Amino acid sequence: QQQVKQSPQSLIVQKGGISIINCAYENTAFDYFPWYQQFPGKGPALLIAIRPDVSEKKEGRFTISFNKSAKQFSLHIMDSQPGDSATYFCAASPRNNNDMRFGAGTRLTVKP
Amino acid sequence: ETGVTQSPTHLIKTRGQQVTLRCSSQSGHNTVSWYQQALGQGPQFIFQYYREEENGRGNFPPRFSGLQFPNYSSELNVNALELDDSALYLCASKAGLATTGELFFGEGSRLTVL
Repeated sequence: QQQVKQSPQSLIVQKGGISIINCAYENTAFDYFPWYQQFPGKGPALLIAIRPDVSEKKEGRFTISFNKSAKQFSLHIMDSQPGDSATYFCAASPRNNNDMRFGAGTRLTVKP
Repeated sequence: ETGVTQSPTHLIKTRGQQVTLRCSSQSGHNTVSWYQQALGQGPQFIFQYYREEENGRGNFPPRFSGLQFPNYSSELNVNALELDDSALYLCASKAGLATTGELFFGEGSRLTVL
């Protein structure tokens, strides 16, 4: 069922470094691409999202880069902090359909 | 503003049994979705309810069914439980039907099937 491939599975970054998580999708009907952050014992929470009509969106330390022709998008976390340690999921939702597909997740650890 | 709440938080069932999970949506939200999250995986869409009607369904068998009530709270029912049904079940709510509407997730109900 999964149509969104996410990498890497896990990532360790030093405090202050840049964390980069990549996702690729297959279905060209996808037109909404959110990223969710999940802490242990909690539900996912929306971090940032992008539509395919823009190539980049930045909110604070978080940036989504979107490449429509390559069907790829990525999350960049600048100046990574230990509090960013969590599991991150990319997702994609088709036009006029609420069947949102999630990637398998990336466990990010930011070392102090 | 009360967020999405789910109950129970944990439960253990045996194969073949039935289970009902409950969800109260965030205040003002009339759309509720249910997701299954297996250990180490991303959530998988089960179905969505909007104003008490099913409004989309993922690739899950009919033994997964749901309800939405007039106050927009919701239930997920799973019959004839199988071992592979062991997972975290997440409820999410949002206002309206737009696919770009922000989904607010609860903390989930962790189901273990023995």
